[in-house]
Amino acid sequence: DTAVSQTPKYLVTQMGNDKSIKCEQNLGHDTMYWYKQDSKKFLKIMFSYNNKELIINETVPNRFSPKSPDKAHLNLHINSLELGDSAVYFCASSQRLEAFFGQGTRLTVV
Amino acid sequence: AQTVTQSQPEMSVQEAETVTLSCTYDTSESDYYLFWYKQPPSRQMILVIRQEAYKQQNATENRFSVNFQKAAKSFSLKISDSQLGDAAMYFCAYFSNRDDKIIFGKGTRLHILP
Repeated sequence: DTAVSQTPKYLVTQMGNDKSIKCEQNLGHDTMYWYKQDSKKFLKIMFSYNNKELIINETVPNRFSPKSPDKAHLNLHINSLELGDSAVYFCASSQRLEAFFGQGTRLTVV
Repeated sequence: AQTVTQSQPEMSVQEAETVTLSCTYDTSESDYYLFWYKQPPSRQMILVIRQEAYKQQNATENRFSVNFQKAAKSFSLKISDSQLGDAAMYFCAYFSNRDDKIIFGKGTRLHILP
């Protein structure tokens, strides 16, 4: 069973569109994250949720909005996509001692 | 703010040899954890090894071991008997209970030479 699953794995879309990336974890963890990995492979945290509540919101444009319907899900919605949003987005969950990552979603904005 | 620094963007090692990847971090916390993650071309993030800051003994996982120097805030990863499958990006990461977020270094790309 996949511990953290993200869909879709690849997403190609035009500038100005709105898109969502879904994330689900079956580990029973309380904390979930979204990370962005840029073209230089640098991983930067975007959001952190603990038990459906937003804990961390780093400096991210408000076009990015996380949604956590329950503690097993943390979806990322992006409005008005821009070229600079092209990156790999990772969802992760943790129970402090270890983080489990999804396989990443490669978003390409054209 | 906590930071994690990996000063080696790329490294190469001959197959079967030993290589050490460097990592330093900055924190004022006393209770934290350090990790090394591996990201192969498949993009999956894989936990390699974990170290609790309160433990003096260096963590070891098969061919992977760390040299944890708490006072120097240094956390290097040693890979012994390097194998072709070890080729990947390696990320050093820091987590503190207070902040509840994982901070990554910029990564080191490791090449294994046959």
